[in-house]
Amino acid sequence: NAGVTQTPKFQVLKTGQSMTLQCAQDMNHEYMSWYRQDPGMGLRLIHYSVGAGITDQGEVPNGYNVSRSTTEDFPLRLLSAAPSQTSVYFCASRRARDAGNTIYFGEGSWLTVV
Amino acid sequence: KNQVEQSPQSLIILEGKNCTLQCNYTVSPFSNLRWYKQDTGRGPVSLTIMTFSENTKSNGRYTATLDADTKQSSLHITASQLSDSASYICVVSDPNKLVFGAGTILRVKS
Repeated sequence: NAGVTQTPKFQVLKTGQSMTLQCAQDMNHEYMSWYRQDPGMGLRLIHYSVGAGITDQGEVPNGYNVSRSTTEDFPLRLLSAAPSQTSVYFCASRRARDAGNTIYFGEGSWLTVV
Repeated sequence: KNQVEQSPQSLIILEGKNCTLQCNYTVSPFSNLRWYKQDTGRGPVSLTIMTFSENTKSNGRYTATLDADTKQSSLHITASQLSDSASYICVVSDPNKLVFGAGTILRVKS
């Protein structure tokens, strides 16, 4: 039972490069989301999806794209990396819309943009 | 603006001692409040979830309380262990979104 799996764990990018953070869950959860965690701040929502084929912007969506072609996968794309995107990224999933359901987080992806 | 404030920012205690972490919020309307434990280099893991009608919930040595009138919650850790060293995050939901606190970093010393 893998839960939420994120790859890669660590990545260093040069400014302007693009990359994709992968996220997969095996719990058949409808709701998936991406957060970034910066020092001294709470997790901030980047993008989320309430089901396959449906995505929407969160609090800090600029510079990121997502897609949800299957229930299991929710990749996050950095289009042209900037130093401000240096952060720790967490993918999360839960059943349906927030109704007190447990949120499961991946182990995180540490991204450094130089 | 919906906010979640946690205190203290960091805390050091001796193994075996108890401690209490605080969470104050302004999120409205309120749906539920969660406490998460995040070990260094890992993702957050759920400890408790409380709805408006619940004022206390336990998970082993962790006990969360909620006062929806004053919009305050606390997480009490009993008989602390070295493995309790982590960041503890308070998360408050309205019906549409989650608002995360910045966390309290707890270090348990032997």
